[in-house]
Amino acid sequence: QTVVTQEPSFSVSPGGTVTLTCGLSSGSVSISNYPSWYQQAPGQAPRTLIYSTNIRSSGVPDRFSGSILGNKAALTITGAQADDESDYFCVLYMGRGISVFGGGTKLTV
Amino acid sequence: EVQLVESGGGLVQPGGSLRLSCAASGFTFSRYWMHWVRQAPGKGLVWVSRINSDGSSTSYADSVKGRFTISRDNAKNTLYLQMDSLRAEDTAVYYCARAVGGGVVTAMGYWGQGSLVTVSS
Repeated sequence: QTVVTQEPSFSVSPGGTVTLTCGLSSGSVSISNYPSWYQQAPGQAPRTLIYSTNIRSSGVPDRFSGSILGNKAALTITGAQADDESDYFCVLYMGRGISVFGGGTKLTV
Repeated sequence: EVQLVESGGGLVQPGGSLRLSCAASGFTFSRYWMHWVRQAPGKGLVWVSRINSDGSSTSYADSVKGRFTISRDNAKNTLYLQMDSLRAEDTAVYYCARAVGGGVVTAMGYWGQGSLVTVSS
């Protein structure tokens, strides 16, 4: 069974840039996995940030960007702010109607 | 404004059943694919199931296949998740989510606030 991998935790200084990644335990991530990214603050419902690799959801600031870096999907936060401190989850589409979440990355700012 | 409101959660014994509902408003419900996502206490998000816009196609995570059934009533703007043969490991907050739309069906664009399901004796 293929597992979607994310860094368990990451730290960034205020104003800094951080790139979180989303990979596969077997194989490479491509645009055909339609990577999407979600932010979840403690006790809150998730918020959609990025879908279809690099399209920002409505209202998401442009300091959040998505891409494919090497064999992984990536979420880059430029100019990190204190309220970016959250859990970040990626989702990959595996085909046959199945989507899989990564384990999430806890970001500390 | 898009709104998704889950209901039907609660305490159920192992082996029991529960049906979650998700009332949708603020958009044309019948045009969008819908998803269920769950989150066990202190754990990450897990995709559970999805249904296409007219209800003719469904998919499930392996962990719930054969036990859970997703359905929808487009006349009532409501999404459902029938959960049978519940196990302790099904304990979680269950979120309904609307697909992004515009041909994007695999990503979730809007989320409800969740409904807690606790499976315990």
